[in-house]
Amino acid sequence: DIQMTQSPSSLSASVGDRVTITCRASQGISNSLAWYQQKPGEAPKLLLYAASRLQSGVPSRFSGSGSGTDYTLTISSLQPEDFATYYCQHYYNSPRTFGQGTKVE
Amino acid sequence: EVQLVESGGGLVQPGGSLRLSCAASKFPFESFEMNWVRQAPGKGLEWVSYISSSGSSIDYADSVKGRFTISRDNAKNSLYLQMNSLRAEDTGVYYCARAYYYDSRGHLDSWGQGTLVAVSS
Repeated sequence: DIQMTQSPSSLSASVGDRVTITCRASQGISNSLAWYQQKPGEAPKLLLYAASRLQSGVPSRFSGSGSGTDYTLTISSLQPEDFATYYCQHYYNSPRTFGQGTKVE
Repeated sequence: EVQLVESGGGLVQPGGSLRLSCAASKFPFESFEMNWVRQAPGKGLEWVSYISSSGSSIDYADSVKGRFTISRDNAKNSLYLQMNSLRAEDTGVYYCARAYYYDSRGHLDSWGQGTLVAVSS
């Protein structure tokens, strides 16, 4: 099974900051990586898929990059509505494991 | 807009059973792979199971293998999760999610609001 290691587990940031979250797979996943945002009491929301493709309706301040085993989610200028928990997930094969999550506060 | 509505959650004793349902609408359900994902209270997301559009391909997380069964009824636009031999660690919110295929692999693009399962005596 492919393990996903996400870091950091939490971070403190301010409005306007550039935020970077990383996700490392235990083996290559050929860009089969998605990023989700979850706010308390809500379902997860897809932000990016295929490592760097922005889901329709998601603001362009969110971007993704990476290849092989290492991937990054970047928020270029943090907005008040971006304080949430972020998860990566690989879908290269089954089981499709999630990272542990990063809480942005 | 895609709609996914879970139901069937509730309080059950350890060792008991529960059947979750997910009603899908506003998209061709029979054409999409579906997944279950759960979240224990205060914890992260855990992928549970998937079923292909036809039902011919299925897989489970090791933590539920042998106890949970995923199924679907394309005529009823419905996804199910039969959960047997429930344990306290199965407690959490269960989400159904649609897999959208891009470049031959499926990411979870639409999610329901979840149904809460509590396993306790």
